[in-house]
Amino acid sequence: EVQLVESGGGLVKPGGSLRLSCAASGFTFNNTWMSWVRQAPGKGLEWVGRIKSKTDGGTTDYAAPVKGRFTISRDDSKNTLYLQMNSLKTEDTAVYYCTSEDWGWGQGTLVTVSS
Amino acid sequence: DVVMTQSPLSLPVTLGQPASISCRSSQSLVFSDGNTYLDWFQQRPGQSPRRLIYKVSNRDSGVPDRFSGSGSGTDFTLKISRVEAEDVGVYYCMQGTHWTWTFGQGTKVEIK
Repeated sequence: EVQLVESGGGLVKPGGSLRLSCAASGFTFNNTWMSWVRQAPGKGLEWVGRIKSKTDGGTTDYAAPVKGRFTISRDDSKNTLYLQMNSLKTEDTAVYYCTSEDWGWGQGTLVTVSS
Repeated sequence: DVVMTQSPLSLPVTLGQPASISCRSSQSLVFSDGNTYLDWFQQRPGQSPRRLIYKVSNRDSGVPDRFSGSGSGTDFTLKISRVEAEDVGVYYCMQGTHWTWTFGQGTKVEIK
């Protein structure tokens, strides 16, 4: 059974940092491009960024609102995707989902940025 | 970025009746490989999104055949042939052709 399980969300002050994790199972993680998508409370879906598989170069791409502040990485030995979020702003408050085009979405983890 | 525009944003439907959602992109979604990377997602209340349709018209495994996708270039449509109670939720189109994914605003389907 394919599973994507996010963790690491919580309450953080503006300017703070947080690292999210996404544990993957049930598919060949190291061959899979992975993405993060977020959803602010009551709002629509917004793509955050992606990381390619290492065989495809392992490079990353980011949406403009998070570029320079967020970093996506992966540890294929642990089947885990990460999202390092720095210089957080109140507008980063959202549920963060990890997703793969072919393997679905996780349940999401809530990040709240508030003083 | 490519802008995806859905209509309507709210769609009240009678059970057993058809429903149709339109999605228009600000640029052609035909990729250099000839494929069109336009997907449709369903998000039921309180749940994560679930992909229904990929590359315009291909249903994902387990998706009922009352869901169908069509279109080309910049104009796309998701149709539900006969709406059931479990279809309530928000539907999003998403383009994956251009390097940064973009989603439509979402269409909320509810039962009249």
